[in-house]
Amino acid sequence: DTGVSQNPRHKITKRGQNVTFRCDPISEHNRLYWYRQTLGQGPEFLTYFQNEAQLEKSRLLSDRFSAERPKGSFSTLEIQRTEQGDSAMYLCASSAKGGETQYFGPGTRLLVL
Amino acid sequence: QKEVEQDPGPLSVPEGAIVSLNCTYSNSAFQYFMWYRQYSRKGPELLMYTYSSGNKEDGRFTAQVDKSSKYISLFIRDSQPSDSATYLCAMSAGGTYKYIFGTGTRLKVLA
Repeated sequence: DTGVSQNPRHKITKRGQNVTFRCDPISEHNRLYWYRQTLGQGPEFLTYFQNEAQLEKSRLLSDRFSAERPKGSFSTLEIQRTEQGDSAMYLCASSAKGGETQYFGPGTRLLVL
Repeated sequence: QKEVEQDPGPLSVPEGAIVSLNCTYSNSAFQYFMWYRQYSRKGPELLMYTYSSGNKEDGRFTAQVDKSSKYISLFIRDSQPSDSATYLCAMSAGGTYKYIFGTGTRLKVLA
């Protein structure tokens, strides 16, 4: 399967704990995006990488959130000191160089108790 | 006011009906228009991609973009129960690469 993969698929954590999610994009896609989706809403843009460079960050990405793509392949999204308001589906997408279409992974569903 | 407006539904239709889904937007810089289908607890799946104005057809799906009215549509012909899902419109100005999504319309096709 050459689609976007995300791990874990589900995460339950207690408020105040740190969590980390991983995204593996489609092979050779140099752009990678993170979105957050809450119930009944469309995905909201969080951040975007071109290769290993993080080129844009949304105001939604508070200082408790950090994303990396160290070798321009997989990416991680870390949330520190989780809050109940962080409960959401975290989606990763990738696109090819010169391509406008983004292909999404299955998402990681986070529940903060 | 949101940049992209989409009626959340739910929209219920009988099997075989033609379905019309719509989004309006306010940002005239949007040039790329996408439709995604999302099943419950799954990631969005790309259905249609259109650049600028015009129509695009793919099987039972037709996407229309009217930039003068800032209005896009997705038509589904001969709808099937398996089409029951949430349909998300997404738009991009290009260059920025980030997508702006509508809230999604829940569609239920009744057998």
